[in-house]
Amino acid sequence: GQNIDQPTEMTATEGAIVQINCTYQTSGFNGLFWYQQHAGEAPTFLSYNVLDGLEEKGRFSSFLSRSKGYSYLLLKELQMKDSASYLCAVRDYIQTGANNLFFGTGTRLTVIP
Amino acid sequence: ETGVTQSPTHLIKTRGQQVTLRCSSQSGHNTVSWYQQALGQGPQFIFQYYREEENGRGNFPPRFSGLQFPNYSSELNVNALELDDSALYLCASSNPGGDRRRQETQYFGPGTRLLVL
Repeated sequence: GQNIDQPTEMTATEGAIVQINCTYQTSGFNGLFWYQQHAGEAPTFLSYNVLDGLEEKGRFSSFLSRSKGYSYLLLKELQMKDSASYLCAVRDYIQTGANNLFFGTGTRLTVIP
Repeated sequence: ETGVTQSPTHLIKTRGQQVTLRCSSQSGHNTVSWYQQALGQGPQFIFQYYREEENGRGNFPPRFSGLQFPNYSSELNVNALELDDSALYLCASSNPGGDRRRQETQYFGPGTRLLVL
């Protein structure tokens, strides 16, 4: 089966850097996604990693180590609007026959002034 | 805005009733996945449709069923509603480019919030 772990809550200061970690175990790994979800809204796509290494996209970067089953999302120059839940999702094709996403419970980030 | 639309936005039903939720995929996307998100949890995969056929299913009972139409829009039907079915139902569209096992990024609609009383 799949097991995806990420911290439940984090707090960081405006302008700072925060790293949200995600560890996973899955049988048919085919990529890792990070989504941002504001309260009451749909998840929005942030980043995608399928090979080891760092993917940078403006203030957001995501890292993947497949051998360690580990990823992190790095948010720089934090803004108040970054307060949201951050969902780590692994794409797996074995368990259900579809190339679907398995999500962690999400990390609720609160940015304080 | 992802171009994925869902209706209705909110719905209240009573236990035992049936509900149909609708999703229109982003233009050019032929794959629709449905997820259930309970409060404080991550989305849970229900099933996926690719070119009008079910293309995989998560751990949900048969009373959760779906359809995909020739224009790639989709419906999620839930029969015999239970209190625990109260959740945000999300659909996401993607385009695997002809290979059902290869998928690009999934883009989510705004969701339908279902409350079962």
